Amino acid sequence: KQEVTQIPAALSVPEGENLVLNCSFTDSAIYNLQWFRQDPGKGLTSLLLIQSSQREQTSGRLNASLDKSSGRSTLYIAASQPGDSATYLCAADSSNDYKLSFGAGTTVTVRA
Amino acid sequence: SQTIHQWPATLVQPVGSPLSLECTVEGTSNPNLYWYRQAAGRGLQLLFYSVGIGQISSEVPQNLSASRPQDRQFILSSKKLLLSDSGFYLCAWGEYEQYFGPGTRLTVT
Repeated sequence: KQEVTQIPAALSVPEGENLVLNCSFTDSAIYNLQWFRQDPGKGLTSLLLIQSSQREQTSGRLNASLDKSSGRSTLYIAASQPGDSATYLCAADSSNDYKLSFGAGTTVTVRA
Repeated sequence: SQTIHQWPATLVQPVGSPLSLECTVEGTSNPNLYWYRQAAGRGLQLLFYSVGIGQISSEVPQNLSASRPQDRQFILSSKKLLLSDSGFYLCAWGEYEQYFGPGTRLTVT
C-alpha cells in the first residue's frame, strides 16, 4: 500500500522567501502525482499534475519535480506572498486506477 | 467549463440519525466520481468511487454507503451516524487529474 508523507507539517516564512515543500512516497511505481492547495474550511484546488513520464511541471511561480527512484516530489513556490498561506497536499496514484493516496499536508504561513 | 457542487456546506446531526450528502458535476459526461473524508490533522481518505451509474466501489468498511442514481450525481448516505463519522467530506471527479468540490463539514453530536 502506498504511504505518502509530507514533512514538515507546518512552515512559516517571511514574504519574498522561496518555499520548498517535500512529499515522499513508499512505492516508486507511481503513475501520477498531484499537488493541491487547501484554504481553511475549503475544498482542494489542483495546482500541478506530474505524470510518470515527466520529471517536472511548472505553472507561474510554482514548479513541481518528481524523482521516482528516490520516492520524492518537491513543490517550489518562488517569491512567496501572504496569499500563498494555505495547506499544500500531495497525492499519488500508484495503480493507474485513479485512486489517490494523500499526504497529511504542509501548512504554510507567509508573514508580511 | 466543469463545476462541482456539494450540499449542504455544513451539517450537525445527532448520533443515530440518517445522513444524505449530495454531489453534482456540470459540464462533463460520465465522469469518475469519488467521495473522500478528511479528519482533523490527517490526509484525505478515499471512501467510494464510481465509474458509472450504479457502479460503486467501496474502499473502507464502515457504516456509510454511496449511490449514483444519475450520470453526474453522487450521494453519500448513512442509516445511523456514529461520532466517528464527523469530518470534512469531499466529492471529486476526474481521472489522471482530480477536481474537488467545496466540501461538507459534518459534526455528529
